[in-house]
Amino acid sequence: EPEVTQTPSHQVTQMGQEVILRCVPISNHLYFYWYRQILGQKVEFLVSFYNNEISEKSEIFDDQFSVERPDGSNFTLKIRSTKLEDSAMYFCASSWQPTYNEQFFGPGTRLTVL
Amino acid sequence: AQSVTQLDSQVPVFEEAPVELRCNYSSSVSVYLFWYVQYPNQGLQLLLKYLSGSTLVKGINGFEAEFNKSQTSFHLRKPSVHISDTAEYFCAVSDLTSGTYKYIFGTGTRLKVLA
Repeated sequence: EPEVTQTPSHQVTQMGQEVILRCVPISNHLYFYWYRQILGQKVEFLVSFYNNEISEKSEIFDDQFSVERPDGSNFTLKIRSTKLEDSAMYFCASSWQPTYNEQFFGPGTRLTVL
Repeated sequence: AQSVTQLDSQVPVFEEAPVELRCNYSSSVSVYLFWYVQYPNQGLQLLLKYLSGSTLVKGINGFEAEFNKSQTSFHLRKPSVHISDTAEYFCAVSDLTSGTYKYIFGTGTRLKVLA
């Protein structure tokens, strides 16, 4: 069964460093998402991406964040200068067509900012 | 704005007992509703979904949920739980006013099944 994959599973970085979180969505999906879950809190929407551009972003998704689909398979989230409060689990999700189709979530990347 | 409320942060229940995890949402438009389960140190797995049609939805692992439009609820039930059901359960609503149908999640309910 096709699945969304994410790498790395755990990333440790120093405050102020840049990180790139990688996701491989399900191959025929067209809509891509990033969500974040700070430890002990709920899952929050960050950004959605369709047709090679951001279609929606939340207040959390400020100028430090960017997303890219550099090729036909990968979908990346970059945090330019990490802060302590960026420590969280980051989930990638994809959907073929949001109408009548659920999003499929990856296993997540745990980001720890020291 | 849409929101999701999971009233119980933790629910302890004995093995083989029934359980209900509550979820209420606020929305003035049609919604899609989902329940996801998260086992320790794992990602989100879809348990069941309501998109349209029958208000009683059956999912995996013996779970079911009932969509109640008048009460804006989507409570999750299982008639007899197992130790392996111990996990965090998240209710989510798909924002149909959003062109991308982003999900809005509740704060989660930690189900602990006791032997």
